Amino acid sequence: KQEVTQIPAALSVPEGENLVLNCSFTDSAIYNLQWFRQDPGKGLTSLLLIQSSQREQTSGRLNASLDKSSGRSTLYIAASQPGDSATYLCAVRPDSWGKLQFGAGTQVVVTP
Amino acid sequence: GAVVSQHPSWVICKSGTSVKIECRSLDFQATTMFWYRQFPKQSLMLMATSNEGSKATYEQGVEKDKFLINHASLTLSTLTVTSAHPEDSSFYICSARWDAGQGPPGELFFGEGSRLTVL
Repeated sequence: KQEVTQIPAALSVPEGENLVLNCSFTDSAIYNLQWFRQDPGKGLTSLLLIQSSQREQTSGRLNASLDKSSGRSTLYIAASQPGDSATYLCAVRPDSWGKLQFGAGTQVVVTP
Repeated sequence: GAVVSQHPSWVICKSGTSVKIECRSLDFQATTMFWYRQFPKQSLMLMATSNEGSKATYEQGVEKDKFLINHASLTLSTLTVTSAHPEDSSFYICSARWDAGQGPPGELFFGEGSRLTVL
């Protein structure tokens, strides 16, 4: 059974610092991995989607890497801003039609 | 593009009543939609997979008679919480997967969520 773990559960950094969020999964046979952002009381916003054949994806200040063999993905957020404060969730898919398996998330606070 | 809309965004109801939540894919077709439930400070737990024109597939432990799912068209799925009780109070989120040919395979798009409070 796939298990997805996110460490740390919470993170507080001063504005301008780079953020490093970790996601690990126990079964390396995944179809893709997706990173999401969730603001309090809101739905999910997709940040980056990495297919199993890819090593990384980049969008603006965000960069996500994927190491399938070791069951890890890392989300980097460069030069953090207070607006980056949110909970970040990673999720893996076993196949193109399968269900998403979510981690518990990392709650990020960026202080001005 | 790829917008998923949920309605209502929040609802308060009395114990014993039924509540319907709608999930619409606004600019794409979605044969498959997913319904999740989220308790405070916890991650999303998949409740069921909704398939257009057929019965939903429920996850273990989810009561299908309590959480009725109807996926009547390629852009609309509904979740009805029947005879709601306070323990059903939660944040419900839907997601939709666009059908083949509409974009990169496998990506899901999420609604804004619906907060249900049962008094």
